[in-house]
Amino acid sequence: EAQVTQNPRYLITVTGKKLTVTCSQNMNHEYMSWYRQDPGLGLRQIYYSMNVEVTDKGDVPEGYKVSRKEKRNFPLILESPSPNQTSLYFCASSFRQGWSYNEQFFGPGTRLTVL
Amino acid sequence: GESVGLHLPTLSVQEGDNSIINCAYSNSASDYFIWYKQESGKGPQFIIDIRSNMDKRQGQRVTVLLNKTVKHLSLQIAATQPGDSAVYFCAEISGANSKLTFGKGITLSVRP
Repeated sequence: EAQVTQNPRYLITVTGKKLTVTCSQNMNHEYMSWYRQDPGLGLRQIYYSMNVEVTDKGDVPEGYKVSRKEKRNFPLILESPSPNQTSLYFCASSFRQGWSYNEQFFGPGTRLTVL
Repeated sequence: GESVGLHLPTLSVQEGDNSIINCAYSNSASDYFIWYKQESGKGPQFIIDIRSNMDKRQGQRVTVLLNKTVKHLSLQIAATQPGDSAVYFCAEISGANSKLTFGKGITLSVRP
């Protein structure tokens, strides 16, 4: 089954404790992206990757890191989480972006709470 | 700055009626517009898209209309069903890196 998977689905942590949210897709997509969703603010892009070893900042990259060592994986790293990073996080993937837009597939989401 | 937004936060419709969800955008250089549906506890799901050189596109029970003159996008759902209850987002793609920007979302509630 073609899908985007995220782990964990739910996480409660404390301020300053490094964490990683994994994202994996099995559709051979070049493009992957991370979003956070907050009430009243919609989905905002954190980081995106056009292909392996190519990553770039989105609208709200502060406090986050990503890596793209393999095509299928795009982990989101919070080196020192803070309470304002409490949010619902979505990973998404698609074939190349560009003028011929390709449907972006979203993962099921990761609910993160930072105490 | 450039932004994508929605006129109404909630919309309640009777089952079987047609629904119209509206969206205003401000970036006249956007190439693509997309509607997403997000059901409770799930990630957004692509519904339909439209390129900036089109004014109408139809799918199964859904139609997207684009009015570039007034920078307005709408999603029409025919014969609304209970399964259509969800949050709907409009989104736009713009720029050399095809950045995807989402609106804030509107809740569609279908009354039985």
